[in-house]
Amino acid sequence: QVQLQESGPGLVKPSETLSLTCAVSGYSISSGYYWGWIRQPPGKGLEWIGSIYHSGSTYYNPSLKSRVTISVDTSKNQFSLKLSSVTAADTAVYYCARHVKVNWFDPWGQGTLVTVSS
Amino acid sequence: EIVLTQSPGTLSLSPGERATLSCRASQSVSSSYLAWYQQKPGQAPRLLIYGASSRATGIPDRFSGSGSGTDFTLTISRLEPEDFAVYYCQQYGSSQTFGQGTKVEIK
Repeated sequence: QVQLQESGPGLVKPSETLSLTCAVSGYSISSGYYWGWIRQPPGKGLEWIGSIYHSGSTYYNPSLKSRVTISVDTSKNQFSLKLSSVTAADTAVYYCARHVKVNWFDPWGQGTLVTVSS
Repeated sequence: EIVLTQSPGTLSLSPGERATLSCRASQSVSSSYLAWYQQKPGQAPRLLIYGASSRATGIPDRFSGSGSGTDFTLTISRLEPEDFAVYYCQQYGSSQTFGQGTKVEIK
């Protein structure tokens, strides 16, 4: 059974870089699939951030592309998100998920709240 | 970017009733590339439907999806207490976008 777990700082200062990691268990990232990040501001809807293949091939939301970097570490079976120049608008619960055929997301991690504040 | 508009915003129903949720796209969604998710408070979304009408593994058959082009529907035939939640649609035919959600609440 595939499980995903996000980790990283819960508080980031404005203008700094948000960094999160998603650890995958029950499946080897090297075996395939894309792996994605999605976020949800408090009380709001979902926004896809970007996805990565085990080879390192990436696919980003055009509206965030200039600030996003997603990387993969197959030796640790995890992938990571960096979002630069954050503002209060980036405050959200950040989820990682398996991005099946770059189509639907299943399963999802439990999510981690990141607050941008000085 | 394809914008998904879900309606109604909130649906107030009683257990045992039928729920019909709508997801309308600003342009045609190719090959019915549409999914539905359920989200309960404090939890991550859970995949219910993909390909507009295929149920994900372990999803009860009271959940069904239909539609094509720009109009899609999620139907819950008889609401169980655990079905009261927020539901999101997602299109993956052109990049990835989500609807704003429909909350199904107990009347």
